[in-house]
Amino acid sequence: NAGVTQTPKFQVLKTGQSMTLQCAQDMNHEYMSWYRQDPGMGLRLIHYSVGAGITDQGEVPNGYNVSRSTTEDFPLRLLSAAPSQTSVYFCASSQSGPGGYTFGSGTRLTVV
Amino acid sequence: DAKTTQPTSMDCAEGRAANLPCNHSTISGNEYVYWYRQIHSQGPQYIIHGLKNNETNEMASLIITEDRKSSTLILPHATLRDTAVYYCIVSSYSGNTGKLIFGQGTTLQVKP
Repeated sequence: NAGVTQTPKFQVLKTGQSMTLQCAQDMNHEYMSWYRQDPGMGLRLIHYSVGAGITDQGEVPNGYNVSRSTTEDFPLRLLSAAPSQTSVYFCASSQSGPGGYTFGSGTRLTVV
Repeated sequence: DAKTTQPTSMDCAEGRAANLPCNHSTISGNEYVYWYRQIHSQGPQYIIHGLKNNETNEMASLIITEDRKSSTLILPHATLRDTAVYYCIVSSYSGNTGKLIFGQGTTLQVKP
């Protein structure tokens, strides 16, 4: 049981490049979400999903796209990377109803 | 979702109980209190949640006041590995859709 798997663990991008951060969970969780965490700061919600085909914006959605075509996967796309998007990105999943979220180990992204 | 207020930092002696307070005076009837922690740069880890009754699991106890306006997370025998940032979050069951909004949390330092 792998839990929440994020790939890659580290990535360096040039300004203007695009890329997709991958997130997969094997727990059949309905809810999935993406957060970013800047140095010394708390986590901020980017996008979230309540099930396949359903997504919504969080606190800081600009510059990011998501889709949820399957229950297991919730990729995060950076359309045109900017230095301000340098951060650690965490994916999380949860079953529906009250209960705890399981977080991945994060993707450390640097945009130069 | 209701906002929470936590002290910025706390110290605790190893082997003693760590009591982390959280104020959520605007909590509504269908909102749960959740606690997470983040050790260094790892992904956040779910600890416990509750609605109005006190809760206990293998990691911690959660004490919620009768008026539900505040709560305390108790780590009964703190170890050095419990040094982390602890987040108190209030979120509604009907709205438990991935919108877990993190504040700044309490940095707990466990000292030998």
